[in-house]
Amino acid sequence: GAVVSQHPSRVICKSGTSVKIECRSLDFQATTMFWYRQFPKQSLMLMATSNEGSKATYEQGVEKDKFLINHASLTLSTLTVTSAHPEDSSFYICSARFSYPSVRADTQYFGPGTRLTVL
Amino acid sequence: AQKITQTQPGMFVQEKEAVTLDCTYDTSDPSYGLFWYKQPSSGEMIFLIYQGSYDQQNATEGRYSLNFQKARKSANLVISASQLGDSAMYFCAMREGPGGYQKVTFGIGTKLQVIP
Repeated sequence: GAVVSQHPSRVICKSGTSVKIECRSLDFQATTMFWYRQFPKQSLMLMATSNEGSKATYEQGVEKDKFLINHASLTLSTLTVTSAHPEDSSFYICSARFSYPSVRADTQYFGPGTRLTVL
Repeated sequence: AQKITQTQPGMFVQEKEAVTLDCTYDTSDPSYGLFWYKQPSSGEMIFLIYQGSYDQQNATEGRYSLNFQKARKSANLVISASQLGDSAMYFCAMREGPGGYQKVTFGIGTKLQVIP
């Protein structure tokens, strides 16, 4: 299998609060995980690449101080949206890749996503 | 230039019929990978099929097959014997460069609706 879980699936919070989203690979080890954001009726936009034991690599235009990523183990990466504002409301989805030299290492497997609503 | 182009915003197909979803890509890297994902209304992205640039044969996974035409830079997804549960958004994606370290770029998607 290649099961990736995300928690929570939905979160509603007040403006100014911080929200942590967890991404776990349940049945495989993932050296690398990815965080995406998806607006309604649009494609996925990569926010950052998370590597176990090192700093995340953020895409251009993504504020690293606002979207804190921690990849503390081979099965867990977390995204913390700090001081959330209504414009941060979106669908956040993570993916994980098998560690090399697995033959499945080229494919990203996605979690079910987290819908964040900031009031 | 767009890395991944999906020109069909929406498609309809009769149940049990086959349907082809188009995808063209643009890269100068000789090593790349092509993916198709399905996103139902629940939101999760479901991996369907993968084609490596050096793979000699077209990839197949059950009812899904990838019509890989390297010279034309196209990677169309063919779904045979459509089922009502196939109704979803379908995204074509590409990884450039060898290995999985490079990021994956997604197309804008095609909404497939299967008609009973």
